[in-house]
Amino acid sequence: AQSVTQLDSQVPVFEEAPVELRCNYSSSVSVYLFWYVQYPNQGLQLLLKYLSGSTLVKGINGFEAEFNKSQTSFHLRKPSVHISDTAEYFCAVSNSGTYKYIFGTGTRLKVLA
Amino acid sequence: GAGVSQSPSNKVTEKGKDVELRCDPISGHTALYWYRQSLGQGLEFLIYFQGNSAPDKSGLPSDRFSAERTGGSVSTLTIQRTQQEDSAVYLCASSRQGDSEQYFGPGTRLTVT
Repeated sequence: AQSVTQLDSQVPVFEEAPVELRCNYSSSVSVYLFWYVQYPNQGLQLLLKYLSGSTLVKGINGFEAEFNKSQTSFHLRKPSVHISDTAEYFCAVSNSGTYKYIFGTGTRLKVLA
Repeated sequence: GAGVSQSPSNKVTEKGKDVELRCDPISGHTALYWYRQSLGQGLEFLIYFQGNSAPDKSGLPSDRFSAERTGGSVSTLTIQRTQQEDSAVYLCASSRQGDSEQYFGPGTRLTVT
């Protein structure tokens, strides 16, 4: 069965420092990959998605992610974080052409002043 | 335009009572999803509706859970004889037909005492 692993449950980082949030998935078939952000008491908002094409995907708020098929990874990066990036980040995968997301357990990013 | 809305935002109920959670998807979105977000866990798929097709109920955890979608729009998730382990945030999402991106509502926080 498809699974998604976000190894880091919490990531503290100082403001203006770079950050990488890790996501690995298990699948030997073609997949779609997503990163969502959840601010406190809000629903999930799409940051970026990979469907096909270029493996480097740019999203909103300065985030980007790279699809690495050989390592089955889709790590999220931002070169310089802001206090406002403090939130929970979820990685999700679906098999290409299907609708059902499998989510990771989330990574709580805390940006420190 | 208006996003996905859910009501109530918070619900506290006693063990053994039935609850109904409501989701209003984005107008024109044919697909509707329910997820459960429990503390320390990721988002768990519950059920999926697409147009007039039979729903995919494969994620419902027990027969106490049911959902319906009336007129291809509003959906209600019903939990009968609630248990403490049902306490979670229930998220609804919708998407356009053929679109991989899901748009999430703010969720309903259910607390079973």
